Formats: sequence, structure tokens, C-alpha cells
Amino acid sequence: DTEVTQTPKHLVMGMTNKKSLKCEQHMGHRAMYWYKQKAKKPPELMFVYSYEKLSINESVPSRFSPECPNSSLLNLHLHALQPEDSALYLCASSQGLNYNEQFFGPGTRLTVL
Amino acid sequence: EDQVTQSPEALRLQEGESSSLNCSYTVSGLRGLFWYRQDPGKGPEFLFTLYSAGEEKEKERLKATLTKKESFLHITAPKPEDSATYLCAVLAFMNTGFQKLVFGTGTRLLVSP
Repeated sequence: DTEVTQTPKHLVMGMTNKKSLKCEQHMGHRAMYWYKQKAKKPPELMFVYSYEKLSINESVPSRFSPECPNSSLLNLHLHALQPEDSALYLCASSQGLNYNEQFFGPGTRLTVL
Repeated sequence: EDQVTQSPEALRLQEGESSSLNCSYTVSGLRGLFWYRQDPGKGPEFLFTLYSAGEEKEKERLKATLTKKESFLHITAPKPEDSATYLCAVLAFMNTGFQKLVFGTGTRLLVSP
């Protein structure tokens, strides 16, 4: 199994909702990442987990809360989002801890109303 | 400030018409340069990693090269299925001692039959 899966594919939420994005990989990768990508822009790194511990937080607002329950799963909990948070949220994983050869999931398309 | 610039923004080629995409960077402490391909609505797909000036990597019709200031992605005799956005990303050491990953804005390639 050489893929990263993300659910849901699409999500529409109001500004007062609480929702979660899920990411899963079964490649035994030690690092997992969350990215945000706006239309026609490059991905922006949000969080990095190494060995299930949060190692990088790129000054992301607290309304985004990551969680790594185990080595295969990565969640992104969303609360009180703003319309400008609407974007494609990408999860990635890599064997090494140096961003090399990242496998990306297909993303969750998030719309905040 | 660390910067990664890709050119051109968009490129239209005829099938079989070879060309090159450029990724120039101004970072200190380069740790690696990555090339990705991204199809619309999908996550990026890893292509190459380059670590030092003079290094070259090849895969099918693609060849990536690296100098001290830029990287080129050469596409030889492209086919319509090569149409995608090509992203480069640079991993660099910051003055803080931490690594930072910076993506370029990408080159949208369209190959016509």
C-alpha cells in the first residue's frame, strides 16, 4: 500500500461548526504533514509530526488543532473557522524526517460559509 | 528573506517540443531541492530530490539539474499526459537553526497534441 488517504473529499461547514479531517498511511512513514493550498497557489506547510510528536507548527491559528493518535493516522480538528480558511487541505507522509520524497494524499476541499 | 521563484508561470508546448522550467532560489544553507508534479484537484506527486550543485536526476522524459542558484526541469519530447503544474520546493536552514520548506509558485505546463 503506497498511498495516503484523506477523508472527507469535500467538506462544507459554517463558522460555528466543529469538524475534523482525517489522514491515513500504511507505509510505515515516520513523518506526517498538513498543508493548506489556496487556488493557484503552492502548498503552505502547517504542521509536521515526527514519530507521532508535533515537531513543527508554522504559526497556525489555534482554530486548527492537529492530532496524531498513532503512527498511521493524522487528524486536523477545525473549530470556529473563517471563510478565508476555505482551501484544499493536503496531508503528506515521508519515511525520513527531512521532507524528502513526501507522498501526498488527494486532499480535502474545505469550504467555510 | 528566503525566496523561491519559478518561471515561466505558464508554458504551452506542442507534443514533442522540448523545453525547460526554471526554479531559482535565494536561501542560505540549502538542504535539498524537490520537484513535484501536481494535477488539478490532486495532491502533488514527488519527482526528484537534488542536494548539491552539479547533481542531475532523470525519470522518463524529465531531467532535473541543480546549480548554486537555480534548478532546471528539462522536458524532452513531452506528451499531452505531461500537462500539469510543476512545483519546486527548497529546504533550507534558517538562522534559528531550524529547517524551513518553501515552495515556489509553480509552472503550469500544457502540452498540446
